[in-house]
Amino acid sequence: SQTIHQWPATLVQPVGSPLSLECTVEGTSNPNLYWYRQAAGRGLQLLFYSVGIGQISSEVPQNLSASRPQDRQFILSSKKLLLSDSGFYLCAWSFGIGQPQHFGDGTRLSIL
Amino acid sequence: QQQVKQSPQSLIVQKGGISIINCAYENTAFDYFPWYQQFPGKGPALLIAIRPDVSEKKEGRFTISFNKSAKQFSLHIMDSQPGDSATYFCAASKETSGSRLTFGEGTQLTVNP
Repeated sequence: SQTIHQWPATLVQPVGSPLSLECTVEGTSNPNLYWYRQAAGRGLQLLFYSVGIGQISSEVPQNLSASRPQDRQFILSSKKLLLSDSGFYLCAWSFGIGQPQHFGDGTRLSIL
Repeated sequence: QQQVKQSPQSLIVQKGGISIINCAYENTAFDYFPWYQQFPGKGPALLIAIRPDVSEKKEGRFTISFNKSAKQFSLHIMDSQPGDSATYFCAASKETSGSRLTFGEGTQLTVNP
């Protein structure tokens, strides 16, 4: 069966510091991968998605970037965090177009 | 703009009652409508999903009703239990978009014992 791992579970960072969140999927190959942000009490906003290694699509302009260095690894990064980057970041995967998305347990990011 | 509007924001139901959550969408190209259940501190988990070629789909106590002409779909939870207390999200996507999901704002369901 497939599993998705995200770490860390929680992170507290100062404004202006860099960020790297990692997501890995096990048990499948060439999945579609997604990064979402969830603001407190709100729905999920798609930030990036990837259909293959090195292929990244950005949905909204922002202070963040994503990379997919390996087939089952998806990384969310920032060079300088802003207060507005606080939130709950979720990674998801799917088998492909038209297939259900499955989420990890997220990283709660607090910016001080 | 591709939006999915969800209501109510919060819902309190007695154990054994029926919980009903509604969603409306604008983009007629959407062709996949999943519902997710999220417990505090966890990621959303896929609950049930429907495609527009059917008007209803049932899995256990959970039913999706779909009205294509009205561009609305709803989740019904029969015999609601305290363990169903969670936040529920509807979503929509079109297959040709790479399955980019547009989510509703969520409904916080509380089922009282």
